Amino acid sequence: DIQMTQSPSSLSASVGDRVTITCRASQSINRNLNWYQQKPGKAPKLLIYAASNLQSGVPSRFSGSGSGTDFTLTINSLQPEDFATYYCQQSYTTPLCSFGQGTKLDIK
Amino acid sequence: EVQLVQSGVEVRKPGESLKISCKGSGYSFTTYWVAWVRQMPGKGLEWMGIIYPGDSDTRYSPSFQGQVTISADKSINTAYLQWSSLKASDTAMYYCARHSNAKSDYWGQGTLVTVSS
Repeated sequence: DIQMTQSPSSLSASVGDRVTITCRASQSINRNLNWYQQKPGKAPKLLIYAASNLQSGVPSRFSGSGSGTDFTLTINSLQPEDFATYYCQQSYTTPLCSFGQGTKLDIK
Repeated sequence: EVQLVQSGVEVRKPGESLKISCKGSGYSFTTYWVAWVRQMPGKGLEWMGIIYPGDSDTRYSPSFQGQVTISADKSINTAYLQWSSLKASDTAMYYCARHSNAKSDYWGQGTLVTVSS
C-alpha cells in the first residue's frame, strides 16, 4: 500500500496570507497526485489534479507542484472561503487510490 | 450537468443489513468508475472501493474487502454500497464519486449512516 502523509495536520493563517501544505508519498507516484478541499458538512471538491493542473472553476490562487514523492499545495492571498480541510490523494494505483490524513486550515 | 445523488439518512441497529445508493445523471454512467469513500465522525477520507458500471469490474481497498459489497445497476444509472451485518463502527458519512482519468471529479452529497442499539 502507498501511504500518504500530509503536513502540517493543522494550520492557522490570516486572510491575505500565503500558505503551503505538503504531501509525501511512501514511494514514487510520479505526478499522480490530486488535491481536494472539504468544508464542514459538505462533500470534498477537486482543486488540483495530476499534481499541478487546476480543475475547471477553481480560483487561480490555488496551485500545486511536485513529482515523485513530494508535493505541495499553495494558496496565495487566502480568502475567507478558503478556510477548510485539504486532502491529497494518490492515484498512481488507480482505480484504487488513497488519501492523506488531511490538513485543517483555520483562521488565526 | 453531471450529478450524483445519494440516498438519504439511515439509522440501523447492529447486525442489520443496509444498501445505500448513488444515482448518476448528466453523463454516460457506464463509461466512468464510481468510487465509495468513508468519513467517520471527525475523521479523514478513506477510499473503500470502486466499480465500473459498464462491466461491473469491482475493486476493494484491503481494509474494506469482505466488509462491504459494491454493485451497480446500469439500467437505472445507480451504484450501491451494502452491508450484510452492520457494526457500530460502520457509523459514518459515505460519499460516492465519479472517478475519471485518475481523479474524483464529481461527488454525491453524502449519506449519513448511524448504527446504534
